[in-house]
Amino acid sequence: EIVLTQSPGTLSLSPGERATLSCRASQSVTNSYLAWYQQNPGQAPRLLIYGVSTRATGIPARFSGDASGTDFTLTISRLEPEDFAVYHCQQYGRTPYTFGQGTKLEIK
Amino acid sequence: QVQLVQSGAEVKKPGASVKVSCKASGFTLSSYYMHWVRQAPGQGLEWMGVVNPSGGGTIYAQSFQGRVTMATDTSTNTFYMELSGLRSDDTAVYYCTRSITDWGQGTLVAVSS
Repeated sequence: EIVLTQSPGTLSLSPGERATLSCRASQSVTNSYLAWYQQNPGQAPRLLIYGVSTRATGIPARFSGDASGTDFTLTISRLEPEDFAVYHCQQYGRTPYTFGQGTKLEIK
Repeated sequence: QVQLVQSGAEVKKPGASVKVSCKASGFTLSSYYMHWVRQAPGQGLEWMGVVNPSGGGTIYAQSFQGRVTMATDTSTNTFYMELSGLRSDDTAVYYCTRSITDWGQGTLVAVSS
């Protein structure tokens, strides 16, 4: 199975700053089927990005995704207060559709 | 609009089984891949398996094979997941998802003696 390793585990930043979250895959992700989710406490995850870089419906343009080989990045260009949450990456190109362990983005 | 409404929280004894339902509206279950994902307290997300809309075939994560059954009831547009041989480490919130886009609200399953 494809193992996804997210870093850092926790990222402390201030509103207005730029956030860069990483997700490294243990092998190639089929068809660039890599997604990012945002999860707030007590809520279900919400899809942000699919296909490495396509924003889901209603997701602001400050969220962007990119890839270099098996390294994937979620960038939030300018943090808003509502962006502080946990972020998960998932590969859905090959079963089992594995997730990373998550990155917590907290207010500094 | 698309909605996935899951059944309520469950408390089970070790060794028991649990069946969680996911009532879909705004779309037809038989047209989409449907998944179950779980999240233990304070932990990450764990993919459990998927039902193929074409023919209803299933693929389960290896760690659940032999213990989990996923199925759809097209007459009620409801998706089910049954997990047997429950252990304390099965305590988690269980989510149904439509493809990767839409998620149910989650169902807490607590396993305790």
